Amino acid sequence: QKEVEQNSGPLSVPEGAIASLNCTYSDRGSQSFFWYRQYSGKSPELIMSIYSNGDKEDGRFTAQLNKASQYVSLLIRDSQPSDSATYLCAPQGSWGKFQFGAGTQVVVTP
Amino acid sequence: GAVVSQHPSWVICKSGTSVKIECRSLDFQATTMFWYRQFPKQSLMLMATSNEGSKATYEQGVEKDKFLINHASLTLSTLTVTSAHPEDSSFYICSARKILSGTSFQETQYFGPGTRLLVL
Repeated sequence: QKEVEQNSGPLSVPEGAIASLNCTYSDRGSQSFFWYRQYSGKSPELIMSIYSNGDKEDGRFTAQLNKASQYVSLLIRDSQPSDSATYLCAPQGSWGKFQFGAGTQVVVTP
Repeated sequence: GAVVSQHPSWVICKSGTSVKIECRSLDFQATTMFWYRQFPKQSLMLMATSNEGSKATYEQGVEKDKFLINHASLTLSTLTVTSAHPEDSSFYICSARKILSGTSFQETQYFGPGTRLLVL
């Protein structure tokens, strides 16, 4: 079992729709969770962090965390073509290291 | 946010030569920096954790004598790929750890733009 599991995609989303990305993790000691966006050929860019159970909204992005279920998700509302990228889920493990998932590729179609 | 720079952005070298990559945190101090490698269509792979003033911690399978890491100041870490070979060609990305103000434990990582290494 991988430490961080994400659907690889590609996730095809019509422009204006909601993209829903899921992530499960195995380290129950994880307390901090991050979502990064990585455009093709570029380095990852931090877009969201979440530390407590529940929802956290930032602009068109909403992160959801459920530590009991070891599940974190990211919603992208009103998806735009510029949102087309790979999204990396990164829980911070109990020993401090960030554990990156393989990423979910999102393709927003006009 | 925070700004992390990397230099050079790309480098082409001959097999057997050494290549040094610099990672700088421009607007914050980073006691810890991380070095990752990413091959095409693959996920990030952590190579090592660089701590200011102490030896780097390498991940399993990463040769510490081949990938030399120096973290001489709170804003600069360097990765030197010694005796580079074509299989070392990859996208090398550093990140810097930033402790969020007002907290004692919340932190995040900000990535540099990466360095593309091509060894001929």
